[in-house]
Amino acid sequence: GQQLNQSPQSMFIQEGEDVSMNCTSSSIFNTWLWYKQDPGEGPVLLIALYKAGELTSNGRLTAQFGITRKDSFLNISASIPSDVGIYFCAGVSGGSNYKLTFGKGTLLTVNP
Amino acid sequence: DTGVSQDPRHKITKRGQNVTFRCDPISEHNRLYWYRQTLGQGPEFLTYFQNEAQLEKSRLLSDRFSAERPKGSFSTLEIQRTEQGDSAMYLCASSFPPAGAYEQYFGPGTRLTVT
Repeated sequence: GQQLNQSPQSMFIQEGEDVSMNCTSSSIFNTWLWYKQDPGEGPVLLIALYKAGELTSNGRLTAQFGITRKDSFLNISASIPSDVGIYFCAGVSGGSNYKLTFGKGTLLTVNP
Repeated sequence: DTGVSQDPRHKITKRGQNVTFRCDPISEHNRLYWYRQTLGQGPEFLTYFQNEAQLEKSRLLSDRFSAERPKGSFSTLEIQRTEQGDSAMYLCASSFPPAGAYEQYFGPGTRLTVT
């Protein structure tokens, strides 16, 4: 089946630093979404991307839909302690009835 | 808009017992999804409803699993004769196409532990 590869698996950064993470696939996706999950909670939607090449921001977060439609990137600027959590990318492929395929996540730790 | 709610938040059961989880989607969201998440993994799709119709089921959903959405509002997920491998977080999500068709909003999940 379809798989999404997220990297890095984990990151440990200092408060105030910028963060970049990405998600790649061998298959084309029509939509990319980025979620954040805190321990014991459900994923929270951060950004949705609908067009190849699209660049979308949500506060300090910026995500891009790759031109090949096989990848997506998430950047977090000026990280703060509450950015700690697991970041998941998810893709929707054509004819999938809108079901999401998730990556394994990037664990972000921010040192105050 | 109170968000997606799930009940219970935690369930501990003995192997062989049946369990049932409930999901209340965001009101007016006509699509409802169930996912399962194990430690260190992203959520995996189980099944989805449009209104009361169950339109797709994953191969992950064995015969011991059944989901319903009888009135097109809340949904239940039942697992019969639970096994230790069923231990996971069960997540429910809802969406409202065509506006934000792909934007699924998740509940807090039900953590199942089978002993």
